[in-house]
Amino acid sequence: EDKVVQSPLSLVVHEGDTVTLNCSYEVTNFRSLLWYKQEKKAPTFLFMLTSSGIEKKSGRLSSILDKKELFSILNITATQTGDSAVYLCAVEHLSGGSNYKLTFGKGTLLTVNP
Amino acid sequence: NAGVMQNPRHLVRRRGQEARLRCSPMKGHSHVYWYRQLPEEGLKFMVYLQKENIIDESGMPKERFSAEFPKEGPSILRIQQVVRGDSAAYFCASSTQGMHSPLHFGNGTRLTVT
Repeated sequence: EDKVVQSPLSLVVHEGDTVTLNCSYEVTNFRSLLWYKQEKKAPTFLFMLTSSGIEKKSGRLSSILDKKELFSILNITATQTGDSAVYLCAVEHLSGGSNYKLTFGKGTLLTVNP
Repeated sequence: NAGVMQNPRHLVRRRGQEARLRCSPMKGHSHVYWYRQLPEEGLKFMVYLQKENIIDESGMPKERFSAEFPKEGPSILRIQQVVRGDSAAYFCASSTQGMHSPLHFGNGTRLTVT
């Protein structure tokens, strides 16, 4: 069965801390891995990773993929209260026939306290 | 450029009633996906549609659930004879090229079955 596992499930830090969120996966015919940030409403897209070892960076957020060990990490440096959210990892893979779909992990709930 | 629009934001139905959830994709997007999110769970894929076609409905329950994306108008997710277990947040996402581009999510419809 295709699965995406995120850890930790929840994390509480203080402003200014650095956090690392983990995502491991077991899927057939992997194509890409995506990170989303979900506050109270719609998940918003952060990164799409397709190649191992190439870091994607956006401000204080960065992410990298290891296709050999089947995992990805999302780093947030100098955290701010506005980073508080659920961070979702999703893997795009082949699903029955020729269609690709996204399988999501359960998410990591990050709380940044002032 | 408006994002993915879902309505209603909140929907309350009694057991046995029908629920209709609407989704207008982003302008220029012709691929629509529906996901369901239960508390403490990740987003679960339900169905993938293009205009007038269901491409992948492998995540849809076999009974009571149906989806359409007509040539004109929004995509509709229809749940007949709702039960308490249908209570969840239902998210719609759209993209320009199916799974070749990141999905953009709407704010979701929170269905409560009483």
